[in-house]
Amino acid sequence: GENVEQHPSTLSVQEGDSAVIKCTYSDSASNYFPWYKQELGKRPQLIIDIRSNVGEKKDQRIAVTLNKTAKHFSLHITETQPEDSAVYFCAASLSGGSYIPTFGRGTSLIVHP
Amino acid sequence: NAGVTQTPKFRVLKTGQSMTLLCAQDMNHEYMYWYRQDPGMGLRLIHYSVGEGTTAKGEVPDGYNVSRLKKQNFLLGLESAAPSQTSVYFCASRHDRDRLYTFGSGTRLTVV
Repeated sequence: GENVEQHPSTLSVQEGDSAVIKCTYSDSASNYFPWYKQELGKRPQLIIDIRSNVGEKKDQRIAVTLNKTAKHFSLHITETQPEDSAVYFCAASLSGGSYIPTFGRGTSLIVHP
Repeated sequence: NAGVTQTPKFRVLKTGQSMTLLCAQDMNHEYMYWYRQDPGMGLRLIHYSVGEGTTAKGEVPDGYNVSRLKKQNFLLGLESAAPSQTSVYFCASRHDRDRLYTFGSGTRLTVV
């Protein structure tokens, strides 16, 4: 089955800095890669996703890049703000069928004012 | 439109007790999932269902049972709770033509 590794487990940055979270996956057949944000005590929510036919996707201050050859993908947050503080999860899966994503273990991002 | 509703939100059980967690969705989603979330472990799939009357095992199914008698409800049962089942449990659902998961707000379960 799929195995997703996520690093770092904790990331501490100053407000305004950029933050990068990296994930690797094992199954070369995986073709869909969502990212979820979970604020303290809240439910995970999708913030951005990317499909394997795209190398990069942006949405305002967040972007995701995908390197299919190396089987890794990354979340980039620019101009971080305190409200970006949360746990971020990456996931990987096949897009069809029963679609069951395998999640990474999460990265706790702390943005200091 | 309530989305995905989990009950209860909190529960403390004694070892050996049983309980059922309820997940209800009003979006007519075919797929439903139960995850547990533990510190440093991410979200691990317990069981899932691809439609009414169907269930399947996920990554960590031992000690849990599930039922999907109605399309809108997915029940997670613990027959004999153990301290290792102390966790936050999340239910999620999605439409069969969509990859967007809608998560419930979670159930924090403590087994003492």
